[in-house]
Amino acid sequence: SAVISQKPSRDICQRGTSLTIQCQVDSQVTMMFWYRQQPGQSLTLIATANQGSEATYESGFVIDKFPISRPNLTFSTLTVSNMSPEDSSIYLCSVSESSNQPQHFGDGTRLSIL
Amino acid sequence: AQRVTQPEKLLSVFKGAPVELKCNYSYSGSPELFWYVQYSRQRLQLLLRHISRESIKGFTADLNKGETSFHLKKPFAQEEDSAMYYCALSGHHGNKLVFGAGTILRVKS
Repeated sequence: SAVISQKPSRDICQRGTSLTIQCQVDSQVTMMFWYRQQPGQSLTLIATANQGSEATYESGFVIDKFPISRPNLTFSTLTVSNMSPEDSSIYLCSVSESSNQPQHFGDGTRLSIL
Repeated sequence: AQRVTQPEKLLSVFKGAPVELKCNYSYSGSPELFWYVQYSRQRLQLLLRHISRESIKGFTADLNKGETSFHLKKPFAQEEDSAMYYCALSGHHGNKLVFGAGTILRVKS
């Protein structure tokens, strides 16, 4: 399966600032996703990153708060904007080589907001 | 609405004992079900998907549409099976996954 690199692995940020998380894949993939895992919780899908067009967001997530880019088939970024302590979570990138293939996950970015 | 329920937060068994991690789902169509596992300090990785009907690391899972269940089983637990296990569902809406809350499996020696 594809090798997924996610950066940074962790960060501590001040409230009100923004952080961009990168997800790089070593091969072209059809689908890329971003998930959030809040402390003690399971994974929740934020959005599907679409190549060359706007991401598709799930209920409860908006583009102004979580802007996503996907300029090509191997790279995507998620920005967490105007952060507050409630945004402290692990953010995970996942990829699927095609629509009928399972998702594979990156190592995640552990984000803490002070 | 799609929902995945894993009723046990923690399952603790002795080495060599059988293991069953429960997963029930709610979905009006024909779902695809997965088990993902996260070992300590490792990334989340795919363990099983129901359409593959294979055994991985001695684990099996059968989709029971009548009971809307996809329980994960292993006849003899090993200490290296200790991990967090997530059941997940895809309703084929763009391959999106809905995850259960997860079950921690602890295998004691």
